[in-house]
Amino acid sequence: EVQVVQSGAEVRKPGESLKISCKTSGYRFTIYWIGWVRQMPGKGLESMGVIYPGDSDTRYSPSFQGQVTISADKSINTAYLQWSSLEASDTAMYYCAIQGRICSNGNCYYDFWGQGTPVTVSS
Amino acid sequence: EIVLTQSPGTLSLSPGERASLSCRASQSVSNNYLAWYQQKPGQAPRLLIYGASYRATGIPDRFSGSGSGTDFTLTISRLDAEDFAVYYCQQYGNSPGTFGQGTKVAIK
Repeated sequence: EVQVVQSGAEVRKPGESLKISCKTSGYRFTIYWIGWVRQMPGKGLESMGVIYPGDSDTRYSPSFQGQVTISADKSINTAYLQWSSLEASDTAMYYCAIQGRICSNGNCYYDFWGQGTPVTVSS
Repeated sequence: EIVLTQSPGTLSLSPGERASLSCRASQSVSNNYLAWYQQKPGQAPRLLIYGASYRATGIPDRFSGSGSGTDFTLTISRLDAEDFAVYYCQQYGNSPGTFGQGTKVAIK
């Protein structure tokens, strides 16, 4: 059974750094793209970027390029999303999700989702 | 990037009724790579449909997807109490992939 478990809620001040995690199990971590999706309060879904853990090929949506860093650790089947300097506008729910088995280029549907990590940035 | 416009914003129906949700793309979606998700309050999205018309594993057959090019539809043949939620479409045929703004299916 595929499982996607994200790290817990975070509260930070503007300017602080943050790294949240997404631990997976039940499938071959290295051969499926994993993505991060943002949902701001009361709003819709936005794709942030994806990573292919097999070779760490990482692709960002234009709106998030340079704003966040996506990484993965194959040894522990875990993906990460990090910020070097948070802003209040980063307050949102962040979902980690695994793309479909047949997906090959990082732009695909999301088959399995984590429970979400709420991030609050406030002074 | 492709903009997806979902309509209506809110659909008020009773259990047992048929729901038709629309997702219109600003340009043709390559290979009809269009997915639908359901999201309930406080929960993560759940994949319902991919490739415009293929049901994801474990999705009841009352959910069906159709359409091609720029016009796509998610149909729920008979609404069950558990189907009242927000539904999003996503295109992944053109980069970057994008989501629609969502349609809320509410109890009438």
